[in-house]
Amino acid sequence: ETGVTQTPRHLVMGMTNKKSLKCEQHLGHNAMYWYKQSAKKPLELMFVYSLEERVENNSVPSRFSPECPNSSHLFLHLHTLQPEDSALYLCASSPDGGTYNEQFFGPGTRLTVL
Amino acid sequence: TQLLEQSPQFLSIQEGENLTVYCNSSSVFSSLQWYRQEPGEGPVLLVTVVTGGEVKKLKRLTFQFGDARKDSSLHITAAQPGDTGLYLCAGAAGATNKLIFGTGTLLAVQP
Repeated sequence: ETGVTQTPRHLVMGMTNKKSLKCEQHLGHNAMYWYKQSAKKPLELMFVYSLEERVENNSVPSRFSPECPNSSHLFLHLHTLQPEDSALYLCASSPDGGTYNEQFFGPGTRLTVL
Repeated sequence: TQLLEQSPQFLSIQEGENLTVYCNSSSVFSSLQWYRQEPGEGPVLLVTVVTGGEVKKLKRLTFQFGDARKDSSLHITAAQPGDTGLYLCAGAAGATNKLIFGTGTLLAVQP
């Protein structure tokens, strides 16, 4: 495996379900990110981890809970989501935890909340 | 709030035509990146421009950063169906060079 991988690629869940999105980067980078991409809206940065420490949380509702057990893995735990949370969730990584440049994105998880 | 407006939002052209996509803001950025996103995939970095007035070429794609580092353009010469995708600009700002993404331009090149 190379680059940034995300699983699952597609997820359909009910509002009472609990699920997790997984991201893995094979690039030896120090920073990882979660973005939300909705139709007709710019990419929204959700969380940033640098060297496994959360350095940014952009006012994301608590029903989204990130976890970064090591510099190669990033999870997004989901519970009691709303239909408006349906979107493409993108994971990215970058070499330098101090700046956000040169981000490498995974293919995304297409989430549908019923 | 820093915003990056891209125009046009949608563009459908015939193979062989030329086109220009614009990325504008009232804010100054330390650098600006262009990404292309194909259906079912994440964005892929095409180029980073850093210096005001800088021009970079990537085969048939020409990228320019405005002199004041507030805007950028992407020009494609003789577009091919493989150029089809969502083009995103992203400006880096602040102490951490946080990326602010533009609203996107969806390009369709018809064979």
